[in-house]
Amino acid sequence: QQQVKQSPQSLIVQKGGISIINCAYENTAFDYFPWYQQFPGKGPALLIAIRPDVSEKKEGRFTISFNKSAKQFSLHIMDSQPGDSATYFCAAKTGGYNKLIFGAGTRLAVHP
Amino acid sequence: DGGITQSPKYLFRKEGQNVTLSCEQNLNHDAMYWYRQDPGQGLRLIYYSQIVNDFQKGDIAEGYSVSREKKESFPLTVTSAQKNPTAFYLCASSPGQGKDTPLHFGNGTRLTVT
Repeated sequence: QQQVKQSPQSLIVQKGGISIINCAYENTAFDYFPWYQQFPGKGPALLIAIRPDVSEKKEGRFTISFNKSAKQFSLHIMDSQPGDSATYFCAAKTGGYNKLIFGAGTRLAVHP
Repeated sequence: DGGITQSPKYLFRKEGQNVTLSCEQNLNHDAMYWYRQDPGQGLRLIYYSQIVNDFQKGDIAEGYSVSREKKESFPLTVTSAQKNPTAFYLCASSPGQGKDTPLHFGNGTRLTVT
């Protein structure tokens, strides 16, 4: 019940296309859902995050869509660029402390 | 520049040897964490510390030990009891018990044990 299931494992998108990564969870106590972006040889960095009281959050080309009833959330990258090529992790947190449960990651490749 | 420094970037050890990974932060963050990253498995929490001289086990603490004697430092020892120590180790910090405070990660140490 503490898992966060992420798909797909890898994704290839053409430049200018839309990249979509999906995550699902079981624990309804999760109350914070961040997405992290990781480039090779680097640590992950926070990209965008959402709380379950909103259904969508947009920051530039990145949008999180949240479906509370389905216990699913997804990351959409509009107008995908080669510089977006990285590994993306969804995560979830419950309670007052910052212990994140991470998905397995999606390796995104954006081809020019 | 504020940040988290992990050293060394690459570390090689023989099986049966203990090894200590360094993590230093100058962000004045109260909380620090160690995660292990394996291909296809995401990040798994090893240990975390909310305050100096206190730390808690994460999901995969067996074979690891930590100390938190200073706010800025949270070293991780990978002991010979860890069955599968070869991995990418990430240290992170956060300001504290805020609900949605982001984790700040270092750039990791890749440990190879042969």
